[in-house]
Amino acid sequence: QLQLQESGPGLVKPSETLSLTCSLSGGSITSSTYYWGWIRQPPGKGLEWIGSIYYSGRTYYNSSLKSRVTISVDTSKNQLSLKLSSVTTADTAVYYCTRGRRDGYNLYYFDYWGQGTLVTVSS
Amino acid sequence: DIVMTQSPDSLAVSLGERATIHCKSSQSLLHSSNKKNHLAWYQQKPGQPPQLLIYWASTRESGVPDRFRGSGSGTDFTLTISSLQAEDVAVYYCQQYYSTLNSFGQGTTLEIK
Repeated sequence: QLQLQESGPGLVKPSETLSLTCSLSGGSITSSTYYWGWIRQPPGKGLEWIGSIYYSGRTYYNSSLKSRVTISVDTSKNQLSLKLSSVTTADTAVYYCTRGRRDGYNLYYFDYWGQGTLVTVSS
Repeated sequence: DIVMTQSPDSLAVSLGERATIHCKSSQSLLHSSNKKNHLAWYQQKPGQPPQLLIYWASTRESGVPDRFRGSGSGTDFTLTISSLQAEDVAVYYCQQYYSTLNSFGQGTTLEIK
C-alpha cells in the first residue's frame, strides 16, 4: 500500500524559502508507470497545481509559480521535495504530494494523494 | 494555459435525487494521439485530501460506486451522481491533463437539500 508523507516546517516567514519533503513507502519513485507532483490548497479555497516531476528529473511548473519553484527527487531516499522561494502570505496553504499515472512522456491524472501538510506564512 | 470552469459553484440536492456538475475547458481536451479526453474528476470530503473518481472523462476509478458517471467530450464535461447519498457531500473538482501544465476547476460544493 503506497503511502505519501509530507513533512516540513509548518510556519515560514515572509520572504523566506518554503521547503517540504514527501517520503514514499510501499512504492518506488523510480517507477516508469508514475510521476510525482505537488498541489496546494489555500484554506477554504480550491486546488492549485504547483508542478510535476518524473524520476529522470524532467520537471513541469505552474506558469504563475515557475520563477520561485524547484521540485526534485532523491532516488536514494525515495523522496520528493519542493522548494518555494520568496514566500508571502498568499502561499499559506495545505501542500499535497501526489502520484500521477504516466505513459512515457505523457502525464496523466493523479491517482494517489498524501494527507497534506499545512504551511502558514507569517512573521 | 488551459482554463477550467465549473458550474455551478454550489449545489443542493435532495437525498436520492440526481446531482449534475458541469466543467468547461478553454480548449479541447480530446487528444488526437489516443482519441481520449484528458479530463479527471476528484471528490474532496471535509478534512481529507482529494480522491480520484473518474479519468479519461468517463472511466470510474476502482472502488467508485456506479452512481457516479462522467460524460462529455472536447470542451464540455459533466459529472452526474444518479442518486445522491449522504456520503456524497463533498467538493468536486475537474482537472485537465491534456497539457503537462495541469489545471483544476474552481470546485463545486455539493450539499444535501
